[in-house]
Amino acid sequence: QVQLQESGPGLVKPSQTLSLTCTVSGGSISSGSYYWSWIRQPAGKGLEWIGRIYTSGSTNYNPSLKSRVTISVDTSKNQFSLKLSSVTAADTAVYYCAREGGPETTVLYRTLDYWGQGTLVTVSS
Amino acid sequence: DIQMTQSPSSVSASVGDRVTITCRASQGISSWLAWYQQKPGKAPKLLIYAASSLQSGVPSRFSGSGSGTDFTLTISSLQPEDFATYYCQQANSFPPTFGPGTKVDIK
Repeated sequence: QVQLQESGPGLVKPSQTLSLTCTVSGGSISSGSYYWSWIRQPAGKGLEWIGRIYTSGSTNYNPSLKSRVTISVDTSKNQFSLKLSSVTAADTAVYYCAREGGPETTVLYRTLDYWGQGTLVTVSS
Repeated sequence: DIQMTQSPSSVSASVGDRVTITCRASQGISSWLAWYQQKPGKAPKLLIYAASSLQSGVPSRFSGSGSGTDFTLTISSLQPEDFATYYCQQANSFPPTFGPGTKVDIK
């Protein structure tokens, strides 16, 4: 059973960079046809897909956030990370990491089947 | 981006009721649609993928149907643990996008 766990600061100052890490257990982040993704949810609002990294290391970002987002992977630690720069109060949200089906998963392609529990990040001075 | 809409935005129902939620895509997405259930303070949970395939471990009272632009999630007999918010997500085009959610609460 794959499990994901987010970690990182819960408070970030405006204009600074938000940094989160997702630790994957129960399976290798390098194996299989999967993307490793980040999604966020402001309080009381809906879900926004931020971006993903493939097992090959290639990345895709939501065009609405692309200029500020970097996702990277550390296969030796079975972790992947999110950096979001120049944050404002509008970036305050619960941030989730998740596993997303890759091209070879066929019917699960671009579907998020395992999620972390989420971590609240507040942007405030 | 493909825009997803859901109706209703909320529904009040009783245990044992049949509940149907509709999701519409702004353009055709074939059967590339997933449904998630989210309870307060918890992460979303995958219920249905490829429009009508039940994720492993999900009770059979949940079912999905549709293709193209119009989709439905049906709960055949609502149980106490089903009170939650339900989201659809299109998996046809980049970037993946979600509907605004439908809250199912107790009547």
